[in-house]
Amino acid sequence: ETGVTQTPRHLVMGMTNKKSLKCEQHLGHNAMYWYKQSAKKPLELMFVYSLEERVENNSVPSRFSPECPNSSHLFLHLHTLQPEDSALYLCASSQDRTVRETQYFGPGTRLLVL
Amino acid sequence: AQKVTQAQTEISVVEKEDVTLDCVYETRDTTYYLFWYKQPPSGELVFLIRRNSFDEQNEISGRYSWNFQKSTSSFNFTITASQVVDSAVYFCALSEAGGTSYGKLTFGQGTILTVHP
Repeated sequence: ETGVTQTPRHLVMGMTNKKSLKCEQHLGHNAMYWYKQSAKKPLELMFVYSLEERVENNSVPSRFSPECPNSSHLFLHLHTLQPEDSALYLCASSQDRTVRETQYFGPGTRLLVL
Repeated sequence: AQKVTQAQTEISVVEKEDVTLDCVYETRDTTYYLFWYKQPPSGELVFLIRRNSFDEQNEISGRYSWNFQKSTSSFNFTITASQVVDSAVYFCALSEAGGTSYGKLTFGQGTILTVHP
């Protein structure tokens, strides 16, 4: 595997379900990100992890719970979601968080909440 | 105020036509970076190019070229002799520190490019 991988690629869940999205980066990077991409909206940064520590949470509802067990893996735990949470969730990584670093993205998980 | 503006929501061209995607940005930082990403229907954002604010030299990579002009705060992207495989959503993005030690990446709304055979 190379680059940034995400599983599952597609997910359908009910509002009472609990599910998790997984992201893995094979680039040796120290920073990882979760973004949300809804239809007709710009990409929204949700969370930032640097060296496994959460350093940014952009007012994301508590029904989204991130976890970074090590520098290569990032999870997004989902519970009691709403239909408006249906979106493409993208994971990204970069060498560090400095302004010059390029973020590399995974293929995303398309989430549908019924 | 929107920091990255891609005024063209959708562009449709016929194969082999040249097409330019516009990007205008806003920042108070003197050091910043600009990016272009391509998002094909599969969903993954593919990194295309990064430019820093001190390097206004235009860049060409195959059929792709980028024109960076600080005087107009623009970083436009041209595809020469477009192909159907170029059909995708293209995002321009700005990375700035804004007085912090860290970069914050802000994306434009994206331009949907459709290339017809």
